[in-house]
Amino acid sequence: GAVVSQHPSRVICKSGTSVKIECRSLDFQATTMFWYRQFPKKSLMLMATSNEGSKATYEQGVEKDKFLINHASLTLSTLTVTSAHPEDSSFYICSASGRGVARSDDTQYFGPGTRLTVL
Amino acid sequence: QKEVEQNSGPLSVPEGAIASLNCTYSDRGSQSFFWYRQYSGKSPELIMSIYSNGDKEDGRFTAQLNKASQYVSLLIRDSQPSDSATYLCAVKGDYKLSFGAGTTVTVRA
Repeated sequence: GAVVSQHPSRVICKSGTSVKIECRSLDFQATTMFWYRQFPKKSLMLMATSNEGSKATYEQGVEKDKFLINHASLTLSTLTVTSAHPEDSSFYICSASGRGVARSDDTQYFGPGTRLTVL
Repeated sequence: QKEVEQNSGPLSVPEGAIASLNCTYSDRGSQSFFWYRQYSGKSPELIMSIYSNGDKEDGRFTAQLNKASQYVSLLIRDSQPSDSATYLCAVKGDYKLSFGAGTTVTVRA
């Protein structure tokens, strides 16, 4: 149980375009989803937290107009990187916590990640 | 001051040995603690959660928590080459996890 999927796993795009990444909880209701970014050999950096049906809460320094997050249902959250630039190239990982999993509701389960390369 | 600190590593252990990973945290009110394993180029996967003082065992892994000392550790017994990865200690605050920088473990065959 507690499986989180992400799509796409890898994307290459041109500078200035927008990219949408989907995060789905497959076997539980994700009341909260988190979006992280990770640069090579660095630790995870939390970008934002979203609760189903509510606006996302962004961490300090993260541009909410650039990184659009939608958590429309208990199983789906999306991150859209708008007008992507080469410095946005990174490994984006979502995680989810919620109801219906065997372990505590506060455990975060991670998706497999999306590697974004902006040319 | 960092919220979660881990021994910096890298940690190299021979196959079959015990790998010992340490983590300290600053928020005395924290109640939930997690260990994740991250292989290179992959996302973190949960190894274990621990909430109460003492030891918690799951297969070859044992987590230890001491809230008075604000210390949590992970022991990997009978280390295997497949255990070679970066191990992340995570402590839950009010709504989010704070991660340590990770300790990279290499198990020598």
